[in-house]
Parts: sequence; C-alpha cells; structure tokens
Amino acid sequence: SYELTQPPSVSVSPGQTARITCSGDELGRKHISWYHQRPGQSPVLIIYQDTVRPSGIAERISGSNSGNTATLTVSATQAIDDGDYYCLMWDSRTAGYFFGGGTKVTVL
Amino acid sequence: EVNLVASGGADVQPGGSLRLSCATSGFTFEDHTMHWVRQVPGKGLQWVSLISWDSETTQYADSVRGRFTISRDNSMKSLHLQMNSLRSEDTAIYYCAKDKGSRIQPPLYTFDIRGQGTMVTVSS
Repeated sequence: SYELTQPPSVSVSPGQTARITCSGDELGRKHISWYHQRPGQSPVLIIYQDTVRPSGIAERISGSNSGNTATLTVSATQAIDDGDYYCLMWDSRTAGYFFGGGTKVTVL
Repeated sequence: EVNLVASGGADVQPGGSLRLSCATSGFTFEDHTMHWVRQVPGKGLQWVSLISWDSETTQYADSVRGRFTISRDNSMKSLHLQMNSLRSEDTAIYYCAKDKGSRIQPPLYTFDIRGQGTMVTVSS
C-alpha cells in the first residue's frame, strides 16, 4: 500500500489562486495525475505526468511535482472550480494505483 | 467521443456475487489497458483493477485480490468485473476507465474515467 496525503479542504476567493498539495514518500520520483469531480458527476482527468494538461483543460490549471510533494495550482479561480480534487499515482513496487484522500475546494 | 457505460450494479447480500460490464465506443478498444475504479458515495476514489490490452496482465487492489476477476472481450469491445464473496465494504459506485496510453506508446500511468458508473450495494 502507499499513502498519499491531501488537505481535506481548501477555500479560495474568486479570482485568487488555489493550491492543492499531495504528499507521499519520494513522490517526486513518481508520475502524478490529478482529477476534478463536481457534485453528482464522474471525475475528470485534468493533469497527468505531473504537468501535462489533457486537451480541453484550461491553461490556468497547472501541476508540479518535486521531493515529497505534488502541487495542483488553479489560477483565477471561478465557481466552476468548486468540487473535489484527487491526486493519483502508480506504484511500481506493488503494481497498483493509489488515490489521495481528496481535497474539497470551495470558491467563495 | 469516448463512451464508457458501466452496468450490472445491483443490491446483493454479503457473500454474494455480481458481474459488472462496461460497454465502450469511440476509441480503439483493443489498443488500451482498461481499469475499474470505485467510489463510496460521498467518499474518495479507489482504484480496483486493470487489464492489459491483450489480457496478459491483470492487477488488483489488495482489498479485492482473490475475490474479483477482471476480463475483457476485444471482439465485443467490452470490459467485465466478476465480483465474488462480496462484503459490505464493497458497496460503491463502480466506474470503468480507459488507460490514457496505448499499446503502441510508452505508458502514461493514468486513465480517463467516463460515464456515471454503476451502483453496487452489499447489504443484508
């Protein structure tokens, strides 16, 4: 098993920047993905391989990963950024994927 | 457009069995590893299992290994999850997911979760 730790919640004012962290042992050596889930909807992949945005994802969403912490940054936040954010990693030792516990982002 | 439609969820008693299916369209199914991911309503996500494009490789989360079996039918472009010895902690929405990489490129270690999933409730 592998533990990924995320803060339970983050609050941000509209137009400001939200930063969501994901921490784990030597996480900087892994490939991290991020998902955004709005209430009642399935999760959407928004970042993979630490920094890559899938087609259709806004440029104000970015990712970084170094040391033991990966960070998702959402700039110029809007109401549509509300929801839960999850980090994901592949652990080659156990050949399994692990999600972080999730962070609820509130834009208010 | 990629479409993944999970089905087969139901209410089942502890110890029972269930077979989930995922119908796919909009991409070359036989080129991609496929996954199952689950989520207890109101809680976090948990990866469950994966199967490689050629069914040669399967992997499972520790919590389901030995009880669940993933399979696929490339001719029917479908994915399946046979769930045996079900427990109350298996209660969740089950999503199918398409690996973002394919058999002709290096692995990307991520996947796209699509569709509304199918609800499995294990309760007496």
